Amino acid sequence: AQSVTQLGSHVSVSEGALVLLRCNYSSSVPPYLFWYVQYPNQGLQLLLKYTSAATLVKGINGFEAEFKKSETSFHLTKPSAHMSDAAEYFCAVTGGGSARQLTFGSGTQLTVLP
Amino acid sequence: DGGITQSPKYLFRKEGQNVTLSCEQNLNHDAMYWYRQDPGQGLRLIYYSQIVNDFQKGDIAEGYSVSREKKESFPLTVTSAQKNPTAFYLCASSTTPGLAVAYEQYFGPGTRLTVT
Repeated sequence: AQSVTQLGSHVSVSEGALVLLRCNYSSSVPPYLFWYVQYPNQGLQLLLKYTSAATLVKGINGFEAEFKKSETSFHLTKPSAHMSDAAEYFCAVTGGGSARQLTFGSGTQLTVLP
Repeated sequence: DGGITQSPKYLFRKEGQNVTLSCEQNLNHDAMYWYRQDPGQGLRLIYYSQIVNDFQKGDIAEGYSVSREKKESFPLTVTSAQKNPTAFYLCASSTTPGLAVAYEQYFGPGTRLTVT
């Protein structure tokens, strides 16, 4: 079984500031990890994914995340926030297996202040 | 362009009526999923299907039904037995098993269902 905890349901940053969204996971097998972004009334778009290759993963729109096994974390960062980054972000984990199911965190709403 | 389509975008129904949400994909993916999204609760899996004519219950299947007669289509019926059907419903798909990329799910734009 696997689970995901996203710390902070709401995060506010100023435009140009560092974005840090936290994700901790639990998995009984080596995990695959994902970050998705959702804009209002839209579906989810994949930002980046970790699939046991490099531990530092670069995604779209300048986002990156680092897989830290010792901390069971996969935090999402972006050096400089842009107004267009305002959205809801979801971390997801799969423990593998044939079912290919993802377990999602409860989401973090990012607000970017001018 | 390949992708997932869901229709309609907004759907309104009276309590006690069944309603069917459409999901179509042209990505040639074999697996498809239905999720329900409520504010502050993330996404919860309703049903999933890994192959035509086969599907499995997810975490919150009660009050819902699905069919998978074609690879491209995975319609979801919200029945009158679903106690709180008002929500945002998302359909997703993923590709061939056995590859790491298989776990990456592609999402449709969603259908917002309101039942009064």
